[in-house]
Formats: sequence, C-alpha cells, structure tokens
Amino acid sequence: QSALTQPRSVSGSPGQSVTISCSGTISDVGGYNYVSWYQQHPGKAPKLMIYAVSKRPSGVPDRFSGSKSGNTASLTISGLQAEDEADYYCCSYAGSRVVFGGGTKLTVL
Amino acid sequence: EVQLVESGGGLVQPGGSLRLSCAASGFTVSNNYMSWVRQAPGKGLEWVSLIYSDGSTYYTESVKGRFTISRDNSKNTVYFQMNSLRTEDTAVYYCARAVYGGDSYWGQGTLVTVSS
Repeated sequence: QSALTQPRSVSGSPGQSVTISCSGTISDVGGYNYVSWYQQHPGKAPKLMIYAVSKRPSGVPDRFSGSKSGNTASLTISGLQAEDEADYYCCSYAGSRVVFGGGTKLTVL
Repeated sequence: EVQLVESGGGLVQPGGSLRLSCAASGFTVSNNYMSWVRQAPGKGLEWVSLIYSDGSTYYTESVKGRFTISRDNSKNTVYFQMNSLRTEDTAVYYCARAVYGGDSYWGQGTLVTVSS
C-alpha cells in the first residue's frame, strides 16, 4: 500500500505562490474526488485545508486552493504568509482504505 | 462543540497490548465514519483503520490480525485494541472523524511507545 507521492520540500517568499503536487494512481487520486489536504504545525494535530479536491472548509483563507488532473492533485497557496510554514499532507480515499502522501515541508523564506 | 479526546497510550514491551479510547462529544460517532491515523516520530501520517456507520471495518495491511477498531454507541466512544505490538508501531495515534471528508475533525493524539 504505497503512499501518495509529494515533494519533500517547497519554499517561497512572502506574497509569492507555491504549488504542492500529490501523485497517485487510478485506484486512489484518479479514481475518486475524495482528495483532501491537511496542514500540520509541529506538535499539533493536522488541520483540514481542502476537501473533495477543491472545496474549502469554513475559516480556511481563499489563498488556499486545490485541483486535480488525472492521477495528480495539487494544492496552491497564494500570497504566502509566515504562518503558512508547516507540513502539508494530501489524503485520498482508495476504496475501503485511505492513503496519505509522504508530506511536504513548506518553508517561507 | 465537537471534541475528540484520545487516551490509553503509553509504554509497552514488544508483544504486548494496549487499548486506545477516543471519547467524542458534540456529535454521534455511530452516524459518522471514524479512523485511527498514526504518525511515527519525525515521520508522516499513516492511515491505520476505519469504522463506518454500518459497522464495517478496514485496516492497513501491516496491522491486520493484530489491531481491532470498535465503538460503544452508548458511550459515544471509539476503541482501538492493539495486540502483538512491534517497535515499528511506535507513534502518536490520532482519532479522526471523516478523515477524507469535509467535516473532518481530529483529536490531539496519544503516544504509543513500544520498547523493551
């Protein structure tokens, strides 16, 4: 049961945009519109940022957006802010199981 | 207010057992699907198990036959019985509602350390 593939790290300056990719297969990302993105700060529980590929829970800034093309999902953060520095994980339903990406560390320069 | 409070973690020797509890408030666990997700020290998130509202249960391959997820509707609590523990099971274990849905909510986690 392989994890989804994410870049280990990305970085950007305040105000810039970054995109984090999440590559899976037709059995997970490509087969369902149940892709979520979580933000995790050190020592904290994960926080839902995007669900159902591109929907934002209430309270999440519209700087965060999600999309999917084929077997790859993406999270884009525009107008980077210092507090966006965290680990980000993609998550997908995979038919009677759930799979997470390996995580991406976002550094705000 | 939605709350999930995990308990039951601790230090256990290899081959031992632990039972984790996840007490929910602000919603009914039997009307939702609940998961256990773990995070080994310095590592990423790993889905471990899930129980749907119809009672069906699912597990990641590495814990099948060793771990059991269940719930007590009268106590609005989800449990995770972990047997034959291995050192590689060492992690923070999170209880989560709707882990791949829009109403996802996670507890603060409980640390399980498997060591001799």
